[in-house]
Amino acid sequence: SQQGEEDPQALSIQEGENATMNCSYKTSINNLQWYRQNSGRGLVHLILIRSNEREKHSGRLRVTLDTSKKSSSLLITASRAADTASYFCATVTGGGAQKLVFGQGTRLTINP
Amino acid sequence: EPEVTQTPSHQVTQMGQEVILRCVPISNHLYFYWYRQILGQKVEFLVSFYNNEISEKSEIFDDQFSVERPDGSNFTLKIRSTKLEDSAMYFCASSPDLTGELFFGEGSRLTVL
Repeated sequence: SQQGEEDPQALSIQEGENATMNCSYKTSINNLQWYRQNSGRGLVHLILIRSNEREKHSGRLRVTLDTSKKSSSLLITASRAADTASYFCATVTGGGAQKLVFGQGTRLTINP
Repeated sequence: EPEVTQTPSHQVTQMGQEVILRCVPISNHLYFYWYRQILGQKVEFLVSFYNNEISEKSEIFDDQFSVERPDGSNFTLKIRSTKLEDSAMYFCASSPDLTGELFFGEGSRLTVL
């Protein structure tokens, strides 16, 4: 079974629209994080939500976490062309190290 | 803003050669990591390092891999005898503690011919 699977694999929307990406996971988690990766570049941390939190906001980002369904969603409101990137969820299942388990990612394209 | 820096950005090597990838983590961070991403695949955890020793490693991190923090600032990943399947983007990351985000470098692309 795979931990941290994103859905959809690819999403193409018009600038100004909202983009929603989903992530499902299999095991209990300590926290769940969303990262962004521009093509050929490094991973940039966007937001972290802990297992006892249900929703977090950061600027145009809204993340929800439903531990009963083992799922999370990332909403980007009022999308911009610069939001074009791949978005990954990553789970941390506790223990000593911050061992992130990444999903395959959603490739988001914002059309101007 | 402090950042994790990695060198080289791209290295091409012949199969069987040794490769060292270098990273300078953020200065006050205590935990250090290597991840890799094979083209088109997921980012995978390789190893975590704390207090001058490996704290956790994945199945990928076999005897061909080693890490070192030789001088208190650099954090290196060595691959002793590279294989074709080691071709990937290698990301270094650091964190100040175990409760929050990881800070990633831009990556080192390794191509093994």
